[in-house]
Amino acid sequence: NAGVTQTPKFQVLKTGQSMTLQCAQDMNHNSMYWYRQDPGMGLRLIYYSASEGTTDKGEVPNGYNVSRLNKREFSLRLESAAPSQTSVYFCASSERQGGYQPQHFGDGTRLSIL
Amino acid sequence: GENVEQHPSTLSVQEGDSAVIKCTYSDSASNYFPWYKQELGKRPQLIIDIRSNVGEKKDQRIAVTLNKTAKHFSLHITETQPEDSAVYFCAAGGGTGGFKTIFGAGTRLFVKA
Repeated sequence: NAGVTQTPKFQVLKTGQSMTLQCAQDMNHNSMYWYRQDPGMGLRLIYYSASEGTTDKGEVPNGYNVSRLNKREFSLRLESAAPSQTSVYFCASSERQGGYQPQHFGDGTRLSIL
Repeated sequence: GENVEQHPSTLSVQEGDSAVIKCTYSDSASNYFPWYKQELGKRPQLIIDIRSNVGEKKDQRIAVTLNKTAKHFSLHITETQPEDSAVYFCAAGGGTGGFKTIFGAGTRLFVKA
């Protein structure tokens, strides 16, 4: 089992460009999450999907959109990238709603916006 | 809003010594407390977790304690080894927000050989 797979692993964008980060899990988990990780700030929730067909905002949703394409896939889109969105992005999944369950993380996408 | 404070931000110990990382949480309804280890350039991985109906849990050299009254929980690593060097995150979940897992800012642990 691959677990949680994220693509791409690295990306450099120019300010104003758009980009979609892809995430897929093969554990038949119901809930999926997108986090960003910045130095000294831990993991901050951008958006989550409690189950297929639902999405909701987390702590830092501005500038992002998400799509839960099916049970396996959850994508994150930056419509007009800004330097403040330079970060490492992690996708995660859990069997049920994450507040009560351990989360399984992907390897991350390192995104730089110039 | 809900938050989790984690201390210290950096911890350096000699190989074989113990390391303790402490966290406090603000949402008294939180009932799930996982700890994640993140090696440099890698994904966070769950190392141990505890639920609110348990005061202490141990797994080999790692133990976690929970004090619900004080809203405080701690990670204890005994007989530290160089491979324990990593960033450790505490988190609190299942609170008022339901879906949310709130992470601490992390502790960078250095184990000197």
